[in-house]
Amino acid sequence: DAKTTQPTSMDCAEGRAANLPCNHSTISGNEYVYWYRQIHSQGPQYIIHGLKNNETNEMASLIITEDRKSSTLILPHATLRDTAVYYCIVNKGAQKLVFGQGTRLTINP
Amino acid sequence: GAVVSQHPSRVICKSGTSVKIECRSLDFQATTMFWYRQFPKQSLMLMATSNEGSKATYEQGVEKDKFLINHASLTLSTLTVTSAHPEDSSFYICSARSPASAEQYFGPGTRLTVT
Repeated sequence: DAKTTQPTSMDCAEGRAANLPCNHSTISGNEYVYWYRQIHSQGPQYIIHGLKNNETNEMASLIITEDRKSSTLILPHATLRDTAVYYCIVNKGAQKLVFGQGTRLTINP
Repeated sequence: GAVVSQHPSRVICKSGTSVKIECRSLDFQATTMFWYRQFPKQSLMLMATSNEGSKATYEQGVEKDKFLINHASLTLSTLTVTSAHPEDSSFYICSARSPASAEQYFGPGTRLTVT
């Protein structure tokens, strides 16, 4: 699976949009971009995934660049409960997920 | 989304004893489940892939005789930590793959403390 690079930590003000970047420059054509998050002492939670088109669901939006070498997860109106570690994972789908270090997002009041 | 449960949520055991952790998919059948381990302030590390009706596939460096995995039904996988030592103290998390969507759903985790 392709490797991903994410910032170690980010801060965002409550109510603002949180934009989390992810680089995956070695992604191959049949690999998806998945985002999960882990709130302290809980199991990871699925957020969203995409192949090449932008995706949106009730939790977030996923913007994938045209060359697919990077993506951005957008939480449109961050709340304190969105404080978590966010993991960007590239995967062919239906395979084991390999977690990197992720981005520790802190939402500040 | 689909629900995955783990039992127990916390367990304390003495060094040298064995501990069994259960992972259940509550509303879907999972032919494949995964077991992860997470140490404090670190990311999740995949330990093994559990396949229903066949032997588990272990990641490099994970001792299969120490971490016994059984996936006897489509809704249950168990991880047994044998002859536990304090260095096995960790947060153990399972996930199950939904055949309908290929998404993985994670359990809430089991915190193991070996004294």
